[in-house]
Amino acid sequence: DAGVIQSPRHEVTEMGQEVTLRCKPISGHNSLFWYRQTMMRGLELLIYFNNNVPIDDSGMPEDRFSAKMPNASFSTLKIQPSEPRDSAVYFCASSLGLTPFYEQYFGPGTRLTVT
Amino acid sequence: QQQVKQSPQSLIVQKGGISIINCAYENTAFDYFPWYQQFPGKGPALLIAIRPDVSEKKEGRFTISFNKSAKQFSLHIMDSQPGDSATYFCAASKDTPPSMGQNFVFGPGTRLSVLP
Repeated sequence: DAGVIQSPRHEVTEMGQEVTLRCKPISGHNSLFWYRQTMMRGLELLIYFNNNVPIDDSGMPEDRFSAKMPNASFSTLKIQPSEPRDSAVYFCASSLGLTPFYEQYFGPGTRLTVT
Repeated sequence: QQQVKQSPQSLIVQKGGISIINCAYENTAFDYFPWYQQFPGKGPALLIAIRPDVSEKKEGRFTISFNKSAKQFSLHIMDSQPGDSATYFCAASKDTPPSMGQNFVFGPGTRLSVLP
């Protein structure tokens, strides 16, 4: 298996622009997680899905952030409008189940820079 | 109460030495303690994990020591190798579906450099 796939790997955009990050989970995994990593705040869980349904999005920092999972093999994280403080590495992870007992497999991340 | 404290922030070890990273938590409801390893440009990957019913877990050169009464746990890397150079994150969680900021918390990370 190719593992979790994320695109793009790097994104540079100007403040106010819409940004869409994409994730393809490992086939057969039913849970998907979006994380954000910064030097200041470390690794933060933003939202997670189970069987394509958003379970808890209370980690999403603002209404400017939204995430969707239209099918079992694709998810997006959208920021509209983007701001410089959104600059971070965004990771997608997938697992066979929701509880921490099931290992989460992380993708390589998308490094977002908002100027 | 939801924080996981981790130290040191960075660590330099000679090849063959022992690397020790410490973590402490407050929430006594946590019952699963994984360690993640992250190489530059990569996502974190699960390295080893422990539950509080045991005081130690060993996998190869990696050992977790767990002190439930002190609410502390540590990662020991024996015979450290240059290939172990990475950032290590401890985490603490409840073995239930994660709720944001409630029961799956990462430490700030330790950057380990193993000198050849």
